[in-house]
Amino acid sequence: NAGVTQTPKFRVLKTGQSMTLLCAQDMNHEYMYWYRQDPGMGLRLIHYSVGEGTTAKGEVPDGYNVSRLKKQNFLLGLESAAPSQTSVYFCASKSPERENTGELFFGEGSRLTVL
Amino acid sequence: GQNIDQPTEMTATEGAIVQINCTYQTSGFNGLFWYQQHAGEAPTFLSYNVLDGLEEKGRFSSFLSRSKGYSYLLLKELQMKDSASYLCAVRDSNYQLIWGAGTKLIIKP
Repeated sequence: NAGVTQTPKFRVLKTGQSMTLLCAQDMNHEYMYWYRQDPGMGLRLIHYSVGEGTTAKGEVPDGYNVSRLKKQNFLLGLESAAPSQTSVYFCASKSPERENTGELFFGEGSRLTVL
Repeated sequence: GQNIDQPTEMTATEGAIVQINCTYQTSGFNGLFWYQQHAGEAPTFLSYNVLDGLEEKGRFSSFLSRSKGYSYLLLKELQMKDSASYLCAVRDSNYQLIWGAGTKLIIKP
């Protein structure tokens, strides 16, 4: 049972470099999310998607782009990385049928360091 | 603004009971959630409350008072494996989750 899988798990970038984080889920979930988690702060929503081909901005979208070309995949891109984007990134998914319980299924996280 | 407050860190003894509090001020309310997150791992869902009262699930219980903007997570018969961070999150009027910074629970033998 793979669930939600994120790649890569770790990455070190230099300021100005670009990269893409991949999230894949095998639970046929409609909703997918990208969060960042920083020390002393709650999870903050970057972007989300309510279905294939749709994306929307969350609380902290600046400096990030996303795409949801296939239902099972949700990509997070950094076009020009900045040290402020050093963080742990979590992908999560949810089925609309679980809307009442709000249960999110998270990937294991991707730790990104920007030098 | 929207705000979720939880203690930063708590310490308890194996076999004891601990209560982790969460207070919130949000734009609307559509449910409160508790997640557990072990160090270096993903958060996992623990409980959901939308009506006032206590929800019990094994050793874990969660309480909600909407009028007070308050919830707590009660952990009984603490085990070493309960050492983790506990995240409180509230779903606001736009159905977006607002997350607290989490409470790190340390269990001592």
